[in-house]
Amino acid sequence: SQQGEEDPQALSIQEGENATMNCSYKTSINNLQWYRQNSGRGLVHLILIRSNEREKHSGRLRVTLDTSKKSSSLLITASRAADTASYFCATVLDRGSTLGRLYFGRGTQLTVWP
Amino acid sequence: DGGITQSPKYLFRKEGQNVTLSCEQNLNHDAMYWYRQDPGQGLRLIYYSQIVNDFQKGDIAEGYSVSREKKESFPLTVTSAQKNPTAFYLCASSSNRPPRGEAFFGQGTRLTVV
Repeated sequence: SQQGEEDPQALSIQEGENATMNCSYKTSINNLQWYRQNSGRGLVHLILIRSNEREKHSGRLRVTLDTSKKSSSLLITASRAADTASYFCATVLDRGSTLGRLYFGRGTQLTVWP
Repeated sequence: DGGITQSPKYLFRKEGQNVTLSCEQNLNHDAMYWYRQDPGQGLRLIYYSQIVNDFQKGDIAEGYSVSREKKESFPLTVTSAQKNPTAFYLCASSSNRPPRGEAFFGQGTRLTVV
């Protein structure tokens, strides 16, 4: 089964509202990353948070990590219609044999209405 | 400018044919990956390579083959043994230096069996 699972599967909000997506994972990680995918395109890396970090910011993005609960959240503040995309969390496990390999969840489809 | 290039963008395969998807990167990354994406399934790892002349099977390698003769190139062949090849294929690369796993993706190849 997949290492990361996002929640909710789909999220629909109005422009200006905040969007929060959650990710849960199962085993010890080296880091957790969030990616964005516009329809029919490749993924774009948004932000990486290491296992010893609890919170990280990048522009309108805020990511938190709770290793005791094996969960992370991505907050997009003051959302825009251009934020409409699928968002994926991905984990890098804390094991040498698979070092660097990313495990993806199924993604959250975010729709922001003008 | 640096990046990762996949070609072709669209590919049509007849039943029983082998087809090869191209992936080239000029980011000087050691690691390269092939993922398959089906609607609602997220990304599943087909093959990955951490160094030249070495590669490992991912979670769904059956019916696929790869080679890594050059650092810049990681072509994927979809063989006739792959019974359901219609999907969106994504190639990615990453550095083996910390933070491990931060990946750059190509724009994808959409393969359709006709």
